[in-house]
Amino acid sequence: KQEVTQIPAALSVPEGENLVLNCSFTDSAIYNLQWFRQDPGKGLTSLLLIQSSQREQTSGRLNASLDKSSGRSTLYIAASQPGDSATYLCAVDTGRRALTFGSGTRLQVQP
Amino acid sequence: DAEITQSPRHKITETGRQVTLACHQTWNHNNMFWYRQDLGHGLRLIHYSYGVQDTNKGEVSDGYSVSRSNTEDLPLTLESAASSQTSVYFCASSFGEKETQYFGPGTRLLVL
Repeated sequence: KQEVTQIPAALSVPEGENLVLNCSFTDSAIYNLQWFRQDPGKGLTSLLLIQSSQREQTSGRLNASLDKSSGRSTLYIAASQPGDSATYLCAVDTGRRALTFGSGTRLQVQP
Repeated sequence: DAEITQSPRHKITETGRQVTLACHQTWNHNNMFWYRQDLGHGLRLIHYSYGVQDTNKGEVSDGYSVSRSNTEDLPLTLESAASSQTSVYFCASSFGEKETQYFGPGTRLLVL
């Protein structure tokens, strides 16, 4: 059974810092990995999708990497801003198109 | 603009009642999913569908059912609501294999 773990569970940083969120998964036979952002009381917004054949994806200040063999992904956020405060979730697709989620990292960026 | 909507956004019901949560998407996506989100458990898959007349059970399907009679809708039914089904329910959709999933705004359900 696929299990997804995210570390740390919570993170507080001052504005302007670069930061890394970690995601690990137990079964390396994945089709893709997706990073989401969730604001309090809201739905999930897709940030980046990395296919199993890719090593990384970039969108603006966000960069996600994937190392399938070691079962790890990282989300790098450059020059963090207070508006980046949210919970970040990673999820993997193991071939049935539905996702298995981690519990998330709650990020607080202080002005 | 294409979107995915859920209704109602908030629902209070009593134990034993049947409840149906609606999910509607206008992207013409083949795949639709229902998840529940609980503190300490994250998001967990309830049911999913690859197309009309197709439905599949997820990890936490007991007490829930779905039916897919058209591309746009996947209603989730709680046959006899239990307090353990108090949760936030999210519907999602995607077009094909290996595609981004898009989520609805969620339904907060309280079972008293």
